[in-house]
Amino acid sequence: DAGVIQSPRHEVTEMGQEVTLRCKPISGHNSLFWYRQTMMRGLELLIYFNNNVPIDDSGMPEDRFSAKMPNASFSTLKIQPSEPRDSAVYFCASSSFQGIGQPQHFGDGTRLSIL
Amino acid sequence: SQQGEEDPQALSIQEGENATMNCSYKTSINNLQWYRQNSGRGLVHLILIRSNEREKHSGRLRVTLDTSKKSSSLLITASRAADTASYFCATDNNTGGFKTIFGAGTRLFVKA
Repeated sequence: DAGVIQSPRHEVTEMGQEVTLRCKPISGHNSLFWYRQTMMRGLELLIYFNNNVPIDDSGMPEDRFSAKMPNASFSTLKIQPSEPRDSAVYFCASSSFQGIGQPQHFGDGTRLSIL
Repeated sequence: SQQGEEDPQALSIQEGENATMNCSYKTSINNLQWYRQNSGRGLVHLILIRSNEREKHSGRLRVTLDTSKKSSSLLITASRAADTASYFCATDNNTGGFKTIFGAGTRLFVKA
């Protein structure tokens, strides 16, 4: 079975540009999570969706960040305008149920570099 | 802020030795999970232990949970070079919401 698929795997762009990260969760999973990982701050939860509805976006750092989930098989995380401090690895994860303790399945991430 | 904090931050052992990593957390939990992350890859779920469990095994992995001390340990027995990775504990926020909080991780290096 296909796992969580993220694209692109790497993105290098100049500050001020719009960046869009994409995620395809595992089919049948109804919870989706976006994380950011840096050496300084570790793994941070940005936002999660349940049944395509955003449940908690308290981890989204600024209004420059936005996330959508138009259907059960696709989600985007957008940064506009991007800044050098947004450089990080962004992970998408999905799980089968928004229940306590459900294992999350991670994609291999998008390594984002903002110059 | 991070709920779980792993200890040690880094661990280097010889192949065949056992590796023990610890996790401490601050607030009450429903369960605790351990994940592994290989370099350049996403996290992979290893094992989940519920708050009413004290010990759980999966292959060469053994996890313990002490809710009175708010701590957990992950033991990898007979380590292999392929076990080289970062290991994270994760706890569910028990304040009514559903949010899994990951610790900073332990970097394990197993020398062949």
